[in-house]
Amino acid sequence: DTAVSQTPKYLVTQMGNDKSIKCEQNLGHDTMYWYKQDSKKFLKIMFSYNNKELIINETVPNRFSPKSPDKAHLNLHINSLELGDSAVYFCASSPSFLTSFHEQFFGPGTRLTVL
Amino acid sequence: GQQLNQSPQSMFIQEGEDVSMNCTSSSIFNTWLWYKQDPGEGPVLLIALYKAGELTSNGRLTAQFGITRKDSFLNISASIPSDVGIYFCAGGHTGNQFYFGTGTSLTVIP
Repeated sequence: DTAVSQTPKYLVTQMGNDKSIKCEQNLGHDTMYWYKQDSKKFLKIMFSYNNKELIINETVPNRFSPKSPDKAHLNLHINSLELGDSAVYFCASSPSFLTSFHEQFFGPGTRLTVL
Repeated sequence: GQQLNQSPQSMFIQEGEDVSMNCTSSSIFNTWLWYKQDPGEGPVLLIALYKAGELTSNGRLTAQFGITRKDSFLNISASIPSDVGIYFCAGGHTGNQFYFGTGTSLTVIP
């Protein structure tokens, strides 16, 4: 059983296009995250939602818009894609942002390549 | 955002050797996590630490929550080829976000 799943696994697109990445978790967790991993493997948090409410919004261009239709899903929409958006994007979930147990479980990642 | 410093940045070791790596922060945390990332995969949680001074093991892996609460350590004993990957630390607070380390890339030579 896949705990945190992302689609698509690979995404190749032209500059200027709009694309979405979907994430689902079946762990019953309250909190979900989006991370960006660059070519140097640095993991940087972008957004976090707790029970569909945005709780973390790092300095990310407003071309990136997360949407959480329910607490099991957190999607990421990117407008007007730029070359610098090329990276691996990871979705993660944790039991609850508000408790002491912060173990985050990661999805397999989506490798985005902008040409 | 804050980035935690991990060292060493990379390690090349012989199979069977022990490995030590550490992670430091300028801030105090109440939770430290250690992850391993295999190529093409997402990070997988190895060990979670919740108390200063805590020492926790998971098989051949042992991690410690530094008593200053600004650092953490990971040891791998008797390394094997499947230990290859990138190891990340992460630190944070209840009700606040977590910050990830810069990663330690481990190569095990058979």
